[in-house]
Amino acid sequence: EAGVAQSPRYKIIEKRQSVAFWCNPISGHATLYWYQQILGQGPKLLIQFQNNGVVDDSQLPKDRFSAERLKGVDSTLKIQPAKLEDSAVYLCASSPYRGLEAFFGQGTRLTVV
Amino acid sequence: KQEVTQIPAALSVPEGENLVLNCSFTDNAIYNLQWFRQDPGKGLTSLLLIQSSQREQTSGRLNASLDKSSGRSTLYIAASQPGDSATYLCAPTAGNRDDKIIFGKGTRLHILP
Repeated sequence: EAGVAQSPRYKIIEKRQSVAFWCNPISGHATLYWYQQILGQGPKLLIQFQNNGVVDDSQLPKDRFSAERLKGVDSTLKIQPAKLEDSAVYLCASSPYRGLEAFFGQGTRLTVV
Repeated sequence: KQEVTQIPAALSVPEGENLVLNCSFTDNAIYNLQWFRQDPGKGLTSLLLIQSSQREQTSGRLNASLDKSSGRSTLYIAASQPGDSATYLCAPTAGNRDDKIIFGKGTRLHILP
């Protein structure tokens, strides 16, 4: 079974630019998560989808971050404009349903200079 | 708000030793708890998932226990090997309708050859 796919793997941008990350979850998985992991920290939940509806986005900085899940499958996370403190690894995960085992992608490492 | 603490933050042990990683969480209303492994620059790999009704799970040299009432979990690694060197992350899944997966900061493990 194919795992969670994320792209790109690496991205370097200048501050105030915009960037988008893409995630393709495991086929049939209803729940999708985006996490931000700053170096040396544990992953922090940004947003959680159930199918194409948002379950929780309480820690998403909505003035600059946005996310959508198209037709309950693929998802994109966008940052506009980026700040230096957004430098982190952005992880996508999926689960068959809420509360079941979650599987993670390889992540996208973002560097803002 | 769920808070997850992992102790120790870092650990270096000689190859062959048995070791225990500790995880505590403040809200014991959980569906399950997962232990993940993260290699440098990589995503998260699920090691074990313990349902809230279970006391422990085993996979090879790994054994995870869960004491839901006291908000604690341990990961036991038997006969450690250099290939076990990684960061280990504990993540309980909230048992309310949010089903958030919240992470600790992890334990960085280094097995000395």
